[in-house]
Amino acid sequence: GAGVSQSPRYKVAKRGQDVALRCDPISGHVSLFWYQQALGQGPEFLTYFQNEAQLDKSGLPSDRFFAERPEGSVSTLKIQRTQQEDSAVYLCASSLAGGRGGSNQPQHFGDGTRLSIL
Amino acid sequence: AQSVAQPEDQVNVAEGNPLTVKCTYSVSGNPYLFWYVQYPNRGLQFLLKYITGDNLVKGSYGFEAEFNKSQTSFHLKKPSALVSDSALYFCAVRGQSGTYKYIFGTGTRLKVLA
Repeated sequence: GAGVSQSPRYKVAKRGQDVALRCDPISGHVSLFWYQQALGQGPEFLTYFQNEAQLDKSGLPSDRFFAERPEGSVSTLKIQRTQQEDSAVYLCASSLAGGRGGSNQPQHFGDGTRLSIL
Repeated sequence: AQSVAQPEDQVNVAEGNPLTVKCTYSVSGNPYLFWYVQYPNRGLQFLLKYITGDNLVKGSYGFEAEFNKSQTSFHLKKPSALVSDSALYFCAVRGQSGTYKYIFGTGTRLKVLA
C-alpha cells in the first residue's frame, strides 16, 4: 500500500503475556520511529531506526520493551511480561531520509495498534 | 531539555471565523517545528513545518503557522474555519543538534461549530 501499515489494529492481552506489534513503513523510507500514545496525550517517543540501525532507544520505558528492524524495512516492537500501564496506542511513523538530513522531513504515521492489557 | 506546550486543551470557533491554536517550545539551538492533525482512531497527518526562512509557513488545507523566535511560539492559524477542521492538533519540536527524538505537545482539540 501507499501508507504506513500497522498490525494488528487492536490487541488484547493478559498481564504477563508477551506481545509483538508490526509496522510496515512506506517503501524506501530510511527513518522509522515508534511512539506510545496514552489516552488524551500526545505521542511519546520510544525509539528510532535509520535503516536497520537502532540509533536512539532512549524512550523505551523499560527493558521489557524491545524493537528491531533487521532488514531495514519492516519493524517489530515487542513487549515482554506486559503490565497494565503498557495499555496505550502504539504508533509507527516513517520518513524518507535519515540522520540529520531527515530531521526536517515530515513523518508519515500509521493508524496505530491499540493495546489493552487486562 | 526540549519541551512543547499547548496551553489550551480545547478551542471552539464558529465556522467561517479565523482560528488560532497555540504552541510554545523550548529547545537548545534552532528548532525544527511541526504541526500534525489527528482524526479519531487514526494516525497523525502532517500539516506544515518550520525549518528556516520565512516566519510565516503555509501548509495543507489552508493552514498556516507563524514562527516567533523571541516568544518561542509557533501558533497554528487558519483564516476561515470549516466544520471538517474539527480534530486533535499536535505541535512537535526537534532540536537541530544531537537527538533524533521528537517531542509532541499534549494536543489541542479544535471544535468548529456550524
